[in-house]
Amino acid sequence: SQQGEEDPQALSIQEGENATMNCSYKTSINNLQWYRQNSGRGLVHLILIRSNEREKHSGRLRVTLDTSKKSSSLLITASRAADTASYFCATEETSGSRLTFGEGTQLTVNP
Amino acid sequence: GAGVSQSPRYKVAKRGQDVALRCDPISGHVSLFWYQQALGQGPEFLTYFQNEAQLDKSGLPSDRFFAERPEGSVSTLKIQRTQQEDSAVYLCASSLLDWTGSLAGPLTDTQYFGPGTRLTVL
Repeated sequence: SQQGEEDPQALSIQEGENATMNCSYKTSINNLQWYRQNSGRGLVHLILIRSNEREKHSGRLRVTLDTSKKSSSLLITASRAADTASYFCATEETSGSRLTFGEGTQLTVNP
Repeated sequence: GAGVSQSPRYKVAKRGQDVALRCDPISGHVSLFWYQQALGQGPEFLTYFQNEAQLDKSGLPSDRFFAERPEGSVSTLKIQRTQQEDSAVYLCASSLLDWTGSLAGPLTDTQYFGPGTRLTVL
């Protein structure tokens, strides 16, 4: 079963705009990770934020984590057409090392 | 360096056939995971190995699914008597560290995914 819920399910923006995706989860976690998946390809790890962290940056990516609300957001700034992909959040629960994924957000960046 | 590789990339099987899917993790990675991804969904956990030990197989959907990692490196996911509902992409991931379950709490690390095997059962 999938723990996370992501919204929106689909997002279409113009190149240069920012994209924000949200993820909610249900259990206690060690960390939350964001992955990208291009159509027909494997998952590419983007960023990991630990449960004792509130915000993390990596290049054009900014991730926030609010453990009190059990939610996270991924912000992609100055989007590019190459950012078009599905984005998944995944949580590593305190009970074990497996990742539990959300259903993903399909991002389309129009040139 | 080389990432996680999986073979075959695509597999078409007739219902009732047995299939074997291979995963070559990143060299030296202790942990290996299998996930199943249905079309339009996020991946779902199947099973987890720490070296050659299968520590968690709670995600395997039925006893037709069997995974092994006999030498703590390459892993094989076998599906017996395939059914149409087995059609999915099967993803393998590896990570460097292990989950110790120690008093200090589990160690965490990034999981690196392979490209997946797309299984279609006719």
